[in-house]
Amino acid sequence: QQPVQSPQAVILREGEDAVINCSSSKALYSVHWYRQKHGEAPVFLMILLKGGEQKGHEKISASFNEKKQQSSLYLTASQLSYSGTYFCGTANNAGNMLTFGGGTRLMVKP
Amino acid sequence: ETGVTQSPTHLIKTRGQQVTLRCSSQSGHNTVSWYQQALGQGPQFIFQYYREEENGRGNFPPRFSGLQFPNYSSELNVNALELDDSALYLCASSLGPLGTEAFFGQGTRLTVV
Repeated sequence: QQPVQSPQAVILREGEDAVINCSSSKALYSVHWYRQKHGEAPVFLMILLKGGEQKGHEKISASFNEKKQQSSLYLTASQLSYSGTYFCGTANNAGNMLTFGGGTRLMVKP
Repeated sequence: ETGVTQSPTHLIKTRGQQVTLRCSSQSGHNTVSWYQQALGQGPQFIFQYYREEENGRGNFPPRFSGLQFPNYSSELNVNALELDDSALYLCASSLGPLGTEAFFGQGTRLTVV
């Protein structure tokens, strides 16, 4: 069962903030966030591990709520370079399988 | 430049044929995962190889198989190709299984006609 991401798409002006949500029907052990620009490979942004440890990137932060089985990605003071599709991936308890959500398309306009 | 390279970049095959896709992992990485990404969708996990052994598998039929070599490069083999196999195939290398960041290659665009 893949995680559900919301919103599916968002358009921002430069400097605005955005939140992307990732919800799972299963227990979360770790959540992985990637950004993929059109025609390019996905690029790692962040991992959130059960227990609260996180590894971050740039001006992007995230939260991980085990009880609600949710993670949120926070993009502050968005830049044009933030445009792309954001994917969350949830790992199983064995840590050997990553299931990605359907993605959130983010467009930042000048 | 992530150091993960995939070949070929594009491929056209006929239904029923077999295909082999290749992935060279980043130096020092011992884990390779393969994904299928249909247009407009998220990557779907096919399987993962860790130290030359299959370490996990997604919901794909047995005609999807793989190998990892002693230098940690990897192959994805697909037999009896179907039209629905048309997709972007991505490999990602990491130092260990899923607890660490993964670096993706640019992918192989497979078209089955």
